[in-house]
Amino acid sequence: KQEVTQIPAALSVPEGENLVLNCSFTDSAIYNLQWFRQDPGKGLTSLLLIQSSQREQTSGRLNASLDKSSGRSTLYIAASQPGDSATYLCAVWGSGTYKYIFGTGTRLKVLA
Amino acid sequence: SAVISQKPSRDICQRGTSLTIQCQVDSQVTMMFWYRQQPGQSLTLIATANQGSEATYESGFVIDKFPISRPNLTFSTLTVSNMSPEDSSIYLCSAHDGPDTQYFGPGTRLTVL
Repeated sequence: KQEVTQIPAALSVPEGENLVLNCSFTDSAIYNLQWFRQDPGKGLTSLLLIQSSQREQTSGRLNASLDKSSGRSTLYIAASQPGDSATYLCAVWGSGTYKYIFGTGTRLKVLA
Repeated sequence: SAVISQKPSRDICQRGTSLTIQCQVDSQVTMMFWYRQQPGQSLTLIATANQGSEATYESGFVIDKFPISRPNLTFSTLTVSNMSPEDSSIYLCSAHDGPDTQYFGPGTRLTVL
């Protein structure tokens, strides 16, 4: 059974810092991995999607990497801003399945 | 891309009652899902809503408690039956046409007193 864990569970940083969020999964047989952002009381916004054959994806100040063999992904946020404050979720789509399994989430607070 | 709407956006209900949540997608999609997000927790998949057949439930979720309908390729409902305070959560509808295109609704925030 696929299990997805995110570390740290919560993070508070001053504005301008570069930071790394971690995601680990127990079954490396995945089709893709996606990072989402969730603002309080809101739905999910997709940030980056990495196919199993890819090593990384970039969008603006965000960079996500994937090491499928070790069951790990990282989300790198450069020059963090208060507007980045949200919960970040990773989710994996297992090979041969038709659903996402979500990680435990990281609550990020960027202080002005 | 698909846009998903949910009704109601939030509700406060009494213990023992039932609430039906509606999910509408603005285009036809292959698969629809229902997730639960308990306070401070991540998303847990409740079931896959199958068009024209019974929903497929994940371990720990049963049809009697969470009946689901999907009458067509753009609409689904989730009912939370015989509610208790433990059912207080955000319920999210999701849809996709494949693993590369997943969309989420804004969620329904349910509080059970």
